[in-house]
Amino acid sequence: DTAVSQTPKYLVTQMGNDKSIKCEQNLGHDTMYWYKQDSKKFLKIMFSYNNKELIINETVPNRFSPKSPDKAHLNLHINSLELGDSAVYFCASSPAASGTYNEQFFGPGTRLTVL
Amino acid sequence: GQQVMQIPQYQHVQEGEDFTTYCNSSTTLSNIQWYKQRPGGHPVFLIQLVKSGEVKKQKRLTFQFGEAKKNSSLHITATQTTDVGTYFCAGPSYNFNKFYFGSGTKLNVKP
Repeated sequence: DTAVSQTPKYLVTQMGNDKSIKCEQNLGHDTMYWYKQDSKKFLKIMFSYNNKELIINETVPNRFSPKSPDKAHLNLHINSLELGDSAVYFCASSPAASGTYNEQFFGPGTRLTVL
Repeated sequence: GQQVMQIPQYQHVQEGEDFTTYCNSSTTLSNIQWYKQRPGGHPVFLIQLVKSGEVKKQKRLTFQFGEAKKNSSLHITATQTTDVGTYFCAGPSYNFNKFYFGSGTKLNVKP
């Protein structure tokens, strides 16, 4: 069974479009995260979220918004896509409380290409 | 700019040689975590160190957290082709208000 899953695996879209990436974890974890990995392989945390608290990296444009329908899901919605949004996006989860940043389990990633 | 740097950026070794990557943070970290990302894969958690000066071993891998909690190292003894990948350090700032991933060290092992 996949612990952290993401869909789609690949996403190709035009500039200006709105898109969503879905993430689900079946580990029973309290906290979920979104990361962006750019072409140079740098990993940056975008959001940390549990049912009580959303922590946003201040460098993330407000075109990006996490949406959590329940504890096991944290989707990433992106408005008005730009060329610079092209990257691999990873979802992760952790048994730790939001803001404590312990061991994280990553999903397989979604490669987003904006044309 | 990048808060947590790793050196070297790339390392090519012959199978059986040792390998070390160094992680240096501009800020004190609460803990240090190490992850491995295989080519085309996702980061996989290896270990977490919390205490100043802590050393932990996992088979051929030795992890160390510096006394000032601003640096760390990962040493692999007698590398194998299965060690190929990018190794990242990561950790929260001392007050947990930020979380950083290091710049990564890409290891290639020639058989």
